[in-house]
Amino acid sequence: QKEVEQNSGPLSVPEGAIASLNCTYSDRGSQSFFWYRQYSGKSPELIMFIYSNGDKEDGRFTAQLNKASQYVSLLIRDSQPSDSATYLCAVTWPSGTYKYIFGTGTRLKVLA
Amino acid sequence: DTGVSQNPRHKITKRGQNVTFRCDPISEHNRLYWYRQTLGQGPEFLTYFQNEAQLEKSRLLSDRFSAERPKGSFSTLEIQRTEQGDSAMYLCASSPSRGPSEQYFGPGTRLTVT
Repeated sequence: QKEVEQNSGPLSVPEGAIASLNCTYSDRGSQSFFWYRQYSGKSPELIMFIYSNGDKEDGRFTAQLNKASQYVSLLIRDSQPSDSATYLCAVTWPSGTYKYIFGTGTRLKVLA
Repeated sequence: DTGVSQNPRHKITKRGQNVTFRCDPISEHNRLYWYRQTLGQGPEFLTYFQNEAQLEKSRLLSDRFSAERPKGSFSTLEIQRTEQGDSAMYLCASSPSRGPSEQYFGPGTRLTVT
């Protein structure tokens, strides 16, 4: 089992819709979870992070964490064509270290 | 500009040559990370530093890779005797030292080995 798993996509959503991106992780002790956006040919940029179970909202973005089920998700409301990118999930792994493991990313396409 | 910087941005080298990349982190960040990314993959952890101490190095790395951060500021990543399989984007990131905190990435160095 991979340490951090994401569906590679592409996930296609119409403009204005909600895009839902999911990530599962294998280390039950992981404490910190991060979402990055990466445009083609560019480096990852941080969108948001979450440490506690539940939801965390930042503008059009909501991160959801469920440690019991070992998944973290990112919702993008009112999706725009400019949101088309690859979304990377990162997890501190193994627990108790400051090493980060990234998933392979989900490619999102927002259709105008 | 107070972000993470990397030099060079692009490097083309012949197989067997040595290459060195530099990363300058955000000035107040104590942790510095190196990653390698190939097309369609997420960043793959290579190594990280807390100040000048190299705390962890990926077992995936061969002995041809070495990294330093001599004064706890900038870092260099050297690849000796490059192979075509080393062609990738090499990313540097830095983070503050308050717990498991967010990382900020530099623009990357794209290496092409011919």
